[in-house]
Amino acid sequence: AQTVTQSQPEMSVQEAETVTLSCTYDTSESDYYLFWYKQPPSRQMILVIRQEAYKQQNATENRFSVNFQKAAKSFSLKISDSQLGDAAMYFCAYSLNDYKLSFGAGTTVTVRA
Amino acid sequence: NAGVTQTPKFQVLKTGQSMTLQCAQDMNHEYMSWYRQDPGMGLRLIHYSVGAGITDQGEVPNGYNVSRSTTEDFPLRLLSAAPSQTSVYFCASSYSGSSTDTQYFGPGTRLTVL
Repeated sequence: AQTVTQSQPEMSVQEAETVTLSCTYDTSESDYYLFWYKQPPSRQMILVIRQEAYKQQNATENRFSVNFQKAAKSFSLKISDSQLGDAAMYFCAYSLNDYKLSFGAGTTVTVRA
Repeated sequence: NAGVTQTPKFQVLKTGQSMTLQCAQDMNHEYMSWYRQDPGMGLRLIHYSVGAGITDQGEVPNGYNVSRSTTEDFPLRLLSAAPSQTSVYFCASSYSGSSTDTQYFGPGTRLTVL
């Protein structure tokens, strides 16, 4: 399995502020997919954003955006204008075009009112 | 559509007991998979299936069996439960298994083995 590393076990952000979650990965492939998943206390896994490695443009979904640095094998998630509903565990994940996901250990995000 | 459903939501077993975790989807998805989630380790792939009658091993298959007799169902069997199998189990499905599809996760089953 590929190695996906999330070095921040916990992050805290003030409501309406911005927080950035780090993720690095190890691969020898040139074409692959990277994902950020959100897991709220309900335990449901929710796809936040997906990046295809051959696309240089960083993916964006509303208040969520990524900084994809292919050469550095880095894939960070920025949450802008943080809301209380953003509080959750966030997982970075990697796969080839086969949905066999390799997940990082997760980062718990706390949003302060 | 009910999406991906998993039963039971919670289960407690004794070491050596067997059980089957059920997973079903009503979206006519070909690709289904099972993951386990342990604290501090993220999710790990146990088994997956690319269609009825076809299954393969993931990263952590030992102690688990699967079969796929229909498109809708993908049960996970523990033949002789061990405390190391205490975990939260997630089933997921997608239309084709391509990472460009949307993958849907079930709500999870929390299993405790005493």
